Amino acid sequence: SQTIHQWPATLVQPVGSPLSLECTVEGTSNPNLYWYRQAAGRGLQLLFYSVGIGQISSEVPQNLSASRPQDRQFILSSKKLLLSDSGFYLCAWGGLFNEQFFGPGTRLTVL
Amino acid sequence: QQQVKQSPQSLIVQKGGISIINCAYENTAFDYFPWYQQFPGKGPALLIAIRPDVSEKKEGRFTISFNKSAKQFSLHIMDSQPGDSATYFCAATASGTYKYIFGTGTRLKVLA
Repeated sequence: SQTIHQWPATLVQPVGSPLSLECTVEGTSNPNLYWYRQAAGRGLQLLFYSVGIGQISSEVPQNLSASRPQDRQFILSSKKLLLSDSGFYLCAWGGLFNEQFFGPGTRLTVL
Repeated sequence: QQQVKQSPQSLIVQKGGISIINCAYENTAFDYFPWYQQFPGKGPALLIAIRPDVSEKKEGRFTISFNKSAKQFSLHIMDSQPGDSATYFCAATASGTYKYIFGTGTRLKVLA
């Protein structure tokens, strides 16, 4: 069966510090991968998606970037965090029939 | 045209009652409509999904009703339980686009 992992689970970072969030998927190959952000009590905002290694599509201009160095690894990064980057970051993988399966999320607080 | 409008924003239901959440879309190219359940501090979990070739899909106490002509779909939770208290999101996507359009979410509270 497929499993998706995200780490860390929680993170508190000062403004201006770098960021690296990691997502890995097990039990499937060449999945579509997604990064979403969810503000407190709000909906899901798609940040990036990838249909293959090295292929990244950006949905929202911002100081975040994404990379896919391996088939089942998706990384979200920032060189300098802003207060507005605080939120709940969710990774998801896409199945064969359009379904998306979400990971447990990373709670990021920027102070 | 890419929006999915979800209502109500919040819903309070007595235990044993029926919870109904509605979504409407504009893009007729959408052909997959999932519902997600999210508990506080957790990632959304796929609950049930439907394609436009059927008008209803049932899984346990959860039913999706789909009205293609009205471009609407709804989630019905029968015999609602306090453990169903969560935020529910509808979504829509078109084959080959890789992206979901999510509704804004409905916060459901089931009173014991």
